[in-house]
Amino acid sequence: SQKIEQNSEALNIQEGKTATLTCNYTNYSPAYLQWYRQDPGRGPVFLLLIRENEKEKRKERLKVTFDTTLKQSLFHITASQPADSATYLCALDPSSGNTPLVFGKGTRLSVIA
Amino acid sequence: DGGITQSPKYLFRKEGQNVTLSCEQNLNHDAMYWYRQDPGQGLRLIYYSQIVNDFQKGDIAEGYSVSREKKESFPLTVTSAQKNPTAFYLCASSISTDAPYEQYFGPGTRLTVT
Repeated sequence: SQKIEQNSEALNIQEGKTATLTCNYTNYSPAYLQWYRQDPGRGPVFLLLIRENEKEKRKERLKVTFDTTLKQSLFHITASQPADSATYLCALDPSSGNTPLVFGKGTRLSVIA
Repeated sequence: DGGITQSPKYLFRKEGQNVTLSCEQNLNHDAMYWYRQDPGQGLRLIYYSQIVNDFQKGDIAEGYSVSREKKESFPLTVTSAQKNPTAFYLCASSISTDAPYEQYFGPGTRLTVT
C-alpha cells in the first residue's frame, strides 16, 4: 500500500543545534516533494519545494534533500532557535495526474533554549 | 491583502444538526481543498475542486458535502451523517492541482459537536 511517513512524532533539540527531520514514502513516485510548517491552532505554511531531479534545496537556515533511490527526503534547520518550534509536514504529489498532495502526519519539533 | 479566510474560527453544534463552514479566497486560484485534522492523524483530504462547478471526493468524503458555484468560494457542509465531526477543518487553495504548486491554507475552523 502507499504510505508517507515522518520518522518521529516529536523531536527535541537544543538551541543552536541542527534539527533533522525525515520523510519516507512507499509505493509513490513523486515528481516533487514539499515541506510545510504548522503552528498550533493555525493552518500550515509552505516552506520549500524540491523536485525529483534536484538533490538539495536551500532557503536561509533551511535545507531539504530528496533521494529517490532511498525514497526519502530530509529537512534540516541549522542554528535552530526556539522560534523554530512547530510541527513540520512533508507532502508529495502522487504522480497520478491532477491529484492533490498527500501529506505526512508531521513531526513536532521543540527547540529548547 | 490576498489570502484565504475561514469563518468562524470556533463553531459549536448539537449532534444531529448540519453545519456549513465557510472558505473564501481572493488569490484567483482554480483549485480549492478541504482537509480534516485530528490529533496524531495529519491532514486528511475531504473534497477538492479543480474548477468552478466541479469537485471530487477525497479520502474521507462520507458525511460531508461541498459546492463550488464561484471561483472564490468553497463551502463545506458537515452533515448529521458524519459519525465523528468534532475536528479542526482546514481549507486550502492552489493555482491548480497540477504540480508543482504549493497550497495556501486558511486559519482553520475548530468544530465541536456535542
